[in-house]
This record gives sequence, C-alpha cells and structure tokens, in this order.
Amino acid sequence: GQQLNQSPQSMFIQEGEDVSMNCTSSSIFNTWLWYKQDPGEGPVLLIALYKAGELTSNGRLTAQFGITRKDSFLNISASIPSDVGIYFCAGRAPGNTPLVFGKGTRLSVIA
Amino acid sequence: DTEVTQTPKHLVMGMTNKKSLKCEQHMGHRAMYWYKQKAKKPPELMFVYSYEKLSINESVPSRFSPECPNSSLLNLHLHALQPEDSALYLCASSQEGGANGNTIYFGEGSWLTVV
Repeated sequence: GQQLNQSPQSMFIQEGEDVSMNCTSSSIFNTWLWYKQDPGEGPVLLIALYKAGELTSNGRLTAQFGITRKDSFLNISASIPSDVGIYFCAGRAPGNTPLVFGKGTRLSVIA
Repeated sequence: DTEVTQTPKHLVMGMTNKKSLKCEQHMGHRAMYWYKQKAKKPPELMFVYSYEKLSINESVPSRFSPECPNSSLLNLHLHALQPEDSALYLCASSQEGGANGNTIYFGEGSWLTVV
C-alpha cells in the first residue's frame, strides 16, 4: 500500500528559530494535509493543499504541495513554546482512497 | 474549537462490559470516520461511513461495532474488549465529493482504558 515518509522524526529547537519538516510518498497524491496534535487531544488541521505547486500560509505556518505531487513540506517561522507537539502530514491518492498518515514529527521548543 | 464533538472524553471499562463512544458533527458533512490511535503513533483508520452507509471496514474485530443513526451522529459500540484495545479513539468527518471532500476534521478523542 501507499506509504508516507515523514522527516525528521523529532526536532529540538530554540525559541525563535524556524522549523522545516517534510513528507514524501511513493505515489502521487491529490491532497496533502498537515495536522498538529497536542498530548491528549485530537489532531487539529493546520493547512490543506489541493493543487500541485500550491503554497499556503496560516499565520507563521507555510506549507507547499510539491510539483511532482509526491511530496509536501511545512515550515514554521519564529517558533514559540506553544508550537510544541506532534505534527502529522497526511495525503490522499486519486480515487476513493483512505487518507494516509506520516509517522509524525515531534517538535520540542527550548525557551 | 473542533466542530466534531466526542463523548465521553475518558472511559474505563472491564473486559466483560458493554459501552459506547459517541460522536456528533454539525458541519453538514456526509462522511464520518472512526480512527484508533496508540501513543506516539499516527491515527489508524477503522471505519468509514458515507451517506450513513458503511463504506470501509479496515478488518476491525467484531468486538467493535459502528453505527450511524443519521448524518450527524456516529457511535462505536464496544463489547468484550481486550487490554490491548486501550487507545485514543478519534471520530472525524469530511464532505463528500470534490477537493474539499478530502479534508478530514477530527474530534478531540475518547481515551479508552480496558482493565
């Protein structure tokens, strides 16, 4: 089945630094989604991407849908302590296929 | 705040108990989902309902029984669970059709502990 490779697995950064994480797939996707999950809570949708090449921002977050349709990245600028959590990418292939999740990137911010 | 609400937030049940998890969405979505999530792992799909009909069952054991009474409600009935079933159970919903139908919105989850 389809697999997503999300990297890095974890990151430790200083407050104020920029962060970048990405996901790659073995096949093309027509949707990329980025979620953040805090401990004990459900995943919260950050950014949704629907077209190859699409670049979308949500505050300090920016995500792009790769032109090859097999990758996506998420950038966080000027990180703050509340950015701590697990970030999941998810993608859906063409057709009526279930969403596929990456294994997550655990972000820790050091004040 | 999420527009997918789940109850209860926490549930502890014995292996012989029968309990239910409930989910409600008011976004007019026609697809609803149950996911199971273990610690430090991504969500795993269990069931998908589309227009109130079960469309996907990811080979889930019969001790988990989903029910979709109407387009806004989704239940997960639990019976004779095992300790390894302890996890965060997430409900989600999405529109059907078009690009926006691919975007899934999650509830806050129900923490289940089987003792």
